[in-house]
Amino acid sequence: GAVVSQHPSRVICKSGTSVKIECRSLDFQATTMFWYRQFPKQSLMLMATSNEGSKATYEQGVEKDKFLINHASLTLSTLTVTSAHPEDSSFYICSARGTAHTEAFFGQGTRLTVV
Amino acid sequence: GQNIDQPTEMTATEGAIVQINCTYQTSGFNGLFWYQQHAGEAPTFLSYNVLDGLEEKGRFSSFLSRSKGYSYLLLKELQMKDSASYLCASMDSNYQLIWGAGTKLIIKP
Repeated sequence: GAVVSQHPSRVICKSGTSVKIECRSLDFQATTMFWYRQFPKQSLMLMATSNEGSKATYEQGVEKDKFLINHASLTLSTLTVTSAHPEDSSFYICSARGTAHTEAFFGQGTRLTVV
Repeated sequence: GQNIDQPTEMTATEGAIVQINCTYQTSGFNGLFWYQQHAGEAPTFLSYNVLDGLEEKGRFSSFLSRSKGYSYLLLKELQMKDSASYLCASMDSNYQLIWGAGTKLIIKP
């Protein structure tokens, strides 16, 4: 299957700082990338959908100025959590889909802890 | 509205068979997905159904009835490593995945 690499897998940052999470499709061109957040024992919550070369579409309630998404190439999307606060601590997961695929492939996820 | 329902938790015995049900209501339908998610890890793809019927893939099978808005995931010859959450997701008319809350499957020896 297609491989999606997400980095870092874990990050601890201080409150008020920014954190960047990268999501790369290693062996296919990801025309669409999805960013999810998952709190413990809860379902995946879609934050935003991004298509290569265009602005991300954010879900209702997700602050686009706080969660900056860049999808500048067909193999890379980044999520930057700006001015992070403890309530932003969560598991962030990206997934990617190419034109040849029906299913989306997930990255390994990033456990963010804001202290 | 859009809604996916699946049981919160199920328990089964090693070597046995378990069926995890999922009912869905979405705006349009472009397929039903099942993913497996181990604790602390990202989901991994298990199956995709868009036509009615049963799709078999090794120990795992997935069934879809579009008229009933119903799917199930069947796991045979259960192994301890099958202990995980199983997520049902329906793809709507905009090709967005609508996720269920997941079913935590506990396997006992």
